Amino acid sequence: AQRVTQPEKLLSVFKGAPVELKCNYSYSGSPELFWYVQYSRQRLQLLLRHISRESIKGFTADLNKGETSFHLKKPFAQEEDSAMYYCALLPGRSEKLVFGKGTKLTVNP
Amino acid sequence: DAGVTQSPTHLIKTRGQQVTLRCSPKSGHDTVSWYQQALGQGPQFIFQYYEEEERQRGNFPDRFSGHQFPNYSSELNVNALLLGDSALYLCASSPPPGLAAFDEQFFGPGTRLTVL
Repeated sequence: AQRVTQPEKLLSVFKGAPVELKCNYSYSGSPELFWYVQYSRQRLQLLLRHISRESIKGFTADLNKGETSFHLKKPFAQEEDSAMYYCALLPGRSEKLVFGKGTKLTVNP
Repeated sequence: DAGVTQSPTHLIKTRGQQVTLRCSPKSGHDTVSWYQQALGQGPQFIFQYYEEEERQRGNFPDRFSGHQFPNYSSELNVNALLLGDSALYLCASSPPPGLAAFDEQFFGPGTRLTVL
């Protein structure tokens, strides 16, 4: 079964502190993994995908197949990073995104 | 381009009723997916439409059905509503395969359905 686990429902950090949002997945094949973000009063939008290995808004995420993890990291959190973050898995040959339950990140001034 | 649009924004129904939600995809997109997001949960895949046919389906009963029109817009129908159907219903569209970012789904603002 395909599953995405985000163990932290809430995460609170201070501005300038490093932040790591955890994501673990369960999938026997080769997955595509994504982080989606939802800012207050805005729609869900793609933040980054593992396949492009890019850094968006200072965020990076590395796929660790051994640990089946795809943690999202940022070295210095900003207040505007406060949002709901969802890790999502796209099983091979499928367009059925499987989402975790999400982590609400609050960056305090 | 307004992106993905959904209507209505909010809807209140009673148990046993039927509801139809509507979605217009982003310009240039031909695939529409529907998700249900219960309070405190991540979106859960209902089904996906491509070329006016249901291409994939999640673990939802037959009470949930859909349709895609030639202009790629889509409807989600739910029959015999239950209290547990109360949720935010999200529509997402994606471009044809072969185009850049074909695996990215663009989400609409959602329709909030309350079943009393």
